[in-house]
Amino acid sequence: SYVLTHPPSVSVAPGKTARITCDGHNLGNKIVHWYQQKPGQAPVLVMYYDNDRPSGIPERFSASSSGNTATLDIDRVEAGDEADYYCQVWDRSTEHVVFGGGTKLTVL
Amino acid sequence: EVQVLESGGGLVQPGGSLRLSCAASGFNFHFYAMSWVRQAPGKGLQWVASISGSDGRTFHADSVKGRFTISRDNSKNMLFLQMNSLRTEDTAIYYCARDAVVAASRWFDSWGQGTLVTVSS
Repeated sequence: SYVLTHPPSVSVAPGKTARITCDGHNLGNKIVHWYQQKPGQAPVLVMYYDNDRPSGIPERFSASSSGNTATLDIDRVEAGDEADYYCQVWDRSTEHVVFGGGTKLTVL
Repeated sequence: EVQVLESGGGLVQPGGSLRLSCAASGFNFHFYAMSWVRQAPGKGLQWVASISGSDGRTFHADSVKGRFTISRDNSKNMLFLQMNSLRTEDTAIYYCARDAVVAASRWFDSWGQGTLVTVSS
């Protein structure tokens, strides 16, 4: 089955750019989506179809994908961005949805 | 406003059964595929099952195939998850989510607050 791998944690100072990666075989050939989950809350879609933002998500959030890696960038990080972030793809060969294990973003 | 609200969670013994429900509102339910996603305590997100909006086609994760069944009642805007032969490792918060499906991909654009299922003796 298809596997997506995140670094367990990323730390960044306020006002800096946070970069959260997601690795998978030929991930650049798949369409990647990203979710934010704050403690005790349901996940929220923050990026879809590689680099589209749902309404209400700040322009500070952007995403890209190439080779085996997809990346979520958060510019001008704020304390309120502290959360777990998950990448997700649909594996067409199995018709299964796959999530990465998640990265905990800490704002220093 | 799109809303999905789960119910039916609780404590069940290993080997037991439970049926989760999800009430949807604020959108044309029968047009949308729907899914269940779970999260074990302190762990990440795990997809459980999905069902298409129109033809009722279903997809289940290997870890629940043969034990769990996703279904829907479009006349009542309801989504269900029948869980049989429950195991301790099925303990999790179960989220109902609305799918966005475009040719080459599927993602989840609205989520409920979840319902907790605890499998323990």
